[in-house]
Amino acid sequence: SAVISQKPSRDICQRGTSLTIQCQVDSQVTMMFWYRQQPGQSLTLIATANQGSEATYESGFVIDKFPISRPNLTFSTLTVSNMSPEDSSIYLCSVDGQGVGNTEAFFGQGTRLTVV
Amino acid sequence: AQSVTQPDIHITVSEGASLELRCNYSYGATPYLFWYVQSPGQGLQLLLKYFSGDTLVQGIKGFEAEFKRSQSSFNLRKPSVHWSDAAEYFCAVVNDYKLSFGAGTTVTVRA
Repeated sequence: SAVISQKPSRDICQRGTSLTIQCQVDSQVTMMFWYRQQPGQSLTLIATANQGSEATYESGFVIDKFPISRPNLTFSTLTVSNMSPEDSSIYLCSVDGQGVGNTEAFFGQGTRLTVV
Repeated sequence: AQSVTQPDIHITVSEGASLELRCNYSYGATPYLFWYVQSPGQGLQLLLKYFSGDTLVQGIKGFEAEFKRSQSSFNLRKPSVHWSDAAEYFCAVVNDYKLSFGAGTTVTVRA
């Protein structure tokens, strides 16, 4: 299994500002994933982050809005840029626990973001 | 692409009663299927998973799920629910190495 620490756990931010969310894993993992969970909704994949390469974004998500860093095999950051109230969501980091596709995913506790 | 559907948005069940949550997957090769639980204010916890083999899968917290290819279903069951089972439950499928989640089912447990 993998233990994932996400920071911050929650934040309230002003519109137009940016927030960077950190995800730290206790073991080296190939793939890291960032999800968004809007209020009362399911999880939507934002992007996949592999170390040493640019993140791969899903349809509807762009790098300018959600820049991602993956400097090593245990850490990643997601930035929510130029925030608006529509960005109020829970953002979750996830890792591939087996190293062969996402056949077992582990999740952080999430970052609850409120934009005012 | 593989996807999952959870037909029930909200289920209310009495403590001690049985629980069944429905999950249907789209047609395709044998899917990799998962059930996750999200308690209020918490992240997601894996309850169980199915890749192949025995179609009845045992998970944590007394949950089990049965894979039925003929019905394209992977329903989650628990014989006797506890108040602590009140949570959001998500069915998920691996889709090109990524997880696709169903809309979720909220379970309320009444005393």
